[in-house]
Amino acid sequence: GENVEQHPSTLSVQEGDSAVIKCTYSDSASNYFPWYKQELGKRPQLIIDIRSNVGEKKDQRIAVTLNKTAKHFSLHITETQPEDSAVYFCAASQGTSGTYKYIFGTGTRLKVLA
Amino acid sequence: KAGVTQTPRYLIKTRGQQVTLSCSPISGHRSVSWYQQTPGQGLQFLFEYFSETQRNKGNFPGRFSGRQFSNSRSEMNVSTLELGDSALYLCASKTTGQAGELFFGEGSRLTVL
Repeated sequence: GENVEQHPSTLSVQEGDSAVIKCTYSDSASNYFPWYKQELGKRPQLIIDIRSNVGEKKDQRIAVTLNKTAKHFSLHITETQPEDSAVYFCAASQGTSGTYKYIFGTGTRLKVLA
Repeated sequence: KAGVTQTPRYLIKTRGQQVTLSCSPISGHRSVSWYQQTPGQGLQFLFEYFSETQRNKGNFPGRFSGRQFSNSRSEMNVSTLELGDSALYLCASKTTGQAGELFFGEGSRLTVL
């Protein structure tokens, strides 16, 4: 059925190191893949997204890669900073005829150690 | 521009009761979707409304229902509450019916005793 698997569930890195979070989706028709960041006690906010016609997208220290054949996509954060500490959710869109729903992964808690 | 507003922010109910949560989207946004957030389960899709029509529904029992009004405001209702319904309920809006950025509210935290 519809599913998005996200790994790891927790990730600790030293400040300045890189962090990678991976997601796998099941619906081959998915064509939009956003990443949301949720800081403690706050609402999720979009940090980057990618559409299926693109293999990679970068925005400053954040990048997302997509492998449609393998049905997985990854979030890469370079030069991590303490303010990157949060829970990150990946999602894959599913839908037809202009209607969409997003299936989210279970989240990755990233801790950046100073 | 005001963000997505959810009310109430916190509520406590007992098993068997029902609850109604409200969501006011960003002005001009016609799509409203609802998610249940629990520790370890991430964000689970409940349903999505666009122009007062439910277009998609997640895998939740019929006790969970919703509606959207002509001004795009949306409500969700949970009847016959169970302990497992305790969660943060998030609403999100976006401009169109196409895939794009979701703007989330701060959520309604429901505790069922």
